[in-house]
Amino acid sequence: GAVVSQHPSRVICKSGTSVKIECRSLDFQATTMFWYRQFPKQSLMLMATSNEGSKATYEQGVEKDKFLINHASLTLSTLTVTSAHPEDSSFYICSAMRRGDPYEQYFGPGTRLTVT
Amino acid sequence: GNSVTQMEGPVTLSEEAFLTINCTYTATGYPSLFWYVQYPGEGLQLLLKATKADDKGSNKGFEATYRKETTSFHLEKGSVQVSDSAVYFCALTPLTGGFKTIFGAGTRLFVKA
Repeated sequence: GAVVSQHPSRVICKSGTSVKIECRSLDFQATTMFWYRQFPKQSLMLMATSNEGSKATYEQGVEKDKFLINHASLTLSTLTVTSAHPEDSSFYICSAMRRGDPYEQYFGPGTRLTVT
Repeated sequence: GNSVTQMEGPVTLSEEAFLTINCTYTATGYPSLFWYVQYPGEGLQLLLKATKADDKGSNKGFEATYRKETTSFHLEKGSVQVSDSAVYFCALTPLTGGFKTIFGAGTRLFVKA
């Protein structure tokens, strides 16, 4: 149990376009989901916290108008990178916190975004 | 604030060698502590966890003990394999502040045959 999926696993897009990444908890309800960004050979950087039915909370320095997060249901959160640029190329990872178990996060497999 | 410090890599070992990756933390209260492993091109997998002082997490031959007195959670394995080559992240989740997990910088492990 406690499986989190991400879709797509890899995406290549042109500069100026928008890309949507989905994060789904497959077998549990996720009251909170987190979005991370990971640069090559670096650690995970928390971008935002997404709670079902409310606005996401963004970390300092993360542009909320560029990285749109929607947590529409207890099993789905989406991250949309708007007007993507090459510097947005990165590995994006989501995680989900199970209802009633706030101390462990379940991670998705990640999405590799390349902006050309 | 909360933070995690882990030893810099890369760590290069021969197969069957003993592994230690040091991790220390700063946090208020009693956070939950975790080790995650990341294989190339993949997401994070939970390796083991401990939720209170003196707890020992273990999985796949890896162990780590939650040491409150030294604020440490060192990862150990008695005999590494080539397949253990990966990046290992130490992390903590505090009891307050929205349960935001704090990650260490990661330690890359190379195991040679």
